[in-house]
Amino acid sequence: GDSVTQMEGPVTLSEEAFLTINCTYTATGYPSLFWYVQYPGEGLQLLLKATKADDKGSNKGFEATYRKETTSFHLEKGSVQVSDSAVYFCAVTGTASKLTFGTGTRLQVTL
Amino acid sequence: GAVVSQHPSWVICKSGTSVKIECRSLDFQATTMFWYRQFPKQSLMLMATSNEGSKATYEQGVEKDKFLINHASLTLSTLTVTSAHPEDSSFYICSAGVGAGPYNEQFFGPGTRLTVL
Repeated sequence: GDSVTQMEGPVTLSEEAFLTINCTYTATGYPSLFWYVQYPGEGLQLLLKATKADDKGSNKGFEATYRKETTSFHLEKGSVQVSDSAVYFCAVTGTASKLTFGTGTRLQVTL
Repeated sequence: GAVVSQHPSWVICKSGTSVKIECRSLDFQATTMFWYRQFPKQSLMLMATSNEGSKATYEQGVEKDKFLINHASLTLSTLTVTSAHPEDSSFYICSAGVGAGPYNEQFFGPGTRLTVL
């Protein structure tokens, strides 16, 4: 079945630091890739997505590029803010229409 | 657009009682609805997938008689936790999906926190 591996947290950064959260996947066919964000006590919000190789998803300063050759979808942001503190989930949807999530990476941004 | 609501947002119940959680897609019709369970500081675990008018498909290890799913319309699905016990305490999240296969996109509800005393 599909699987997602993402770096374990927590990740602690100072405000305005550069963020990378690594994500790799295994899936058959041509999956779509997602990053979701979960703020404390809330459900998941879609942050960005990419549906085919070399696509770059971007939103709110976050970016991730669908790399089929390395089966990766790393999340990056050039300058994080305290308000970005949350848990970030990488996910993949394959032919079964089911989302498979990574374990989540907690990001803590400090002043 | 693509708003999904859940009700209630939190519920506390006594052991042995049943609890119903509603999931609604407010401004779109969903091909499929999904129910997830999330334990503290863990990822989401898919419990079941449901299509309107048909029986839900449960993931391995999920008791279908304990977690009853009804998908009455393209905008409403309900999860009933029957004879709840403290180990059922968790954060339950639903999502409504549109599209098929790898083009399926899910929109998530805000979650329901269940505490069983």
